[in-house]
Amino acid sequence: NAGVTQTPKFQVLKTGQSMTLQCAQDMNHNSMYWYRQDPGMGLRLIYYSASEGTTDKGEVPNGYNVSRLNKREFSLRLESAAPSQTSVYFCASKLQGGGNQPQHFGDGTRLSIL
Amino acid sequence: AQKITQTQPGMFVQEKEAVTLDCTYDTSDPSYGLFWYKQPSSGEMIFLIYQGSYDQQNATEGRYSLNFQKARKSANLVISASQLGDSAMYFCAMREGSFKTIFGAGTRLFVKA
Repeated sequence: NAGVTQTPKFQVLKTGQSMTLQCAQDMNHNSMYWYRQDPGMGLRLIYYSASEGTTDKGEVPNGYNVSRLNKREFSLRLESAAPSQTSVYFCASKLQGGGNQPQHFGDGTRLSIL
Repeated sequence: AQKITQTQPGMFVQEKEAVTLDCTYDTSDPSYGLFWYKQPSSGEMIFLIYQGSYDQQNATEGRYSLNFQKARKSANLVISASQLGDSAMYFCAMREGSFKTIFGAGTRLFVKA
């Protein structure tokens, strides 16, 4: 019963390098999300995917791209990493829109950009 | 503009006492939902409680209750009989429409023995 799995758990990049964070869920959820967590700022929504085949920008999409590969997988790509993107990244999924369904979160990816 | 505001960066509470964590929100959507999550030092996000904008009664889940004041746009979390294991970050979140969910900056709760 894995839930939401994020890989890798830790990564160090140099400025300008590219990187894809992977996220997969096995709960047959329709909606998936990417957040970044920074001290004092809580979780900020980067992108979300309401359902397979759709993606939408959140609060802080600049510098990121996403791909909803299939119903299970939602990846986040940094094309040219910058030190300001040093953060903890969380992937989440949710059964469906609306209602009282909570999001289920992965364990996070701690990303450092030098 | 910030849509979820948690004004208490840190709170202290004595073990076995009750504590209220504040959350105010702003939305023009008549249909929305409010969630509270707990993040222990281990980092995982744990769902605690939910309140829908059309719910007539305040939500309760065990020792957690949500003081929902719609006119004031507030959704405060009340933890009764605090335990040492309640020490964590607490996040208020709002679902706007069907899919988009945004979070507040969080409140760090310290429970003293």
